[in-house]
Amino acid sequence: GESVGLHLPTLSVQEGDNSIINCAYSNSASDYFIWYKQESGKGPQFIIDIRSNMDKRQGQRVTVLLNKTVKHLSLQIAATQPGDSAVYFCAEKTDARDMRFGAGTRLTVKP
Amino acid sequence: GAVVSQHPSRVICKSGTSVKIECRSLDFQATTMFWYRQFPKQSLMLMATSNEGSKATYEQGVEKDKFLINHASLTLSTLTVTSAHPEDSSFYICSARDLRERGDKYQETQYFGPGTRLLVL
Repeated sequence: GESVGLHLPTLSVQEGDNSIINCAYSNSASDYFIWYKQESGKGPQFIIDIRSNMDKRQGQRVTVLLNKTVKHLSLQIAATQPGDSAVYFCAEKTDARDMRFGAGTRLTVKP
Repeated sequence: GAVVSQHPSRVICKSGTSVKIECRSLDFQATTMFWYRQFPKQSLMLMATSNEGSKATYEQGVEKDKFLINHASLTLSTLTVTSAHPEDSSFYICSARDLRERGDKYQETQYFGPGTRLLVL
């Protein structure tokens, strides 16, 4: 099957805690993965990406982990801040197919 | 970084009218742009791929005669919702593909516009 849009799950964390957002993808041929952040009423904003020849990539306060065996992707946000509150989407892509978005997770940061 | 704009940001129209949404890449040329639709509390659904100088490629279930796409230049794609009905009310988002040479390879990045909120009464 294909990752398609579904109703959003939610994650609520305390300010300063670490957040882990998970994503399962379905296409074993996908070789490029991206995490996007979408604030209310705005377009998606690129956060971090990873290619299938890697299993971990770090950015500023964010880390993406890729487990190709179980087709699982995660986004870790360190020291979560109120400004991190948004909906987070993973997206997958192959050379032969354009980007497809996962279901998304709404992150709420409590002060 | 690259910027993609959309116009209008919000539009309200009467049922039966047509609405045109513009997507522009402001500081790079994009041979390929994408149109997505997003309903409340849902993910982005790819509607079509817009290719400069050729016909758009529509996803299964998207009516090409209802959602007209024109990609007349390397910086502009337009989506026209024809004979809009209330069920077409949604958040429409475009993105543009930026291809840059990195040594002997090309790096592809997709930049998203801010979206257009369409409300059909």
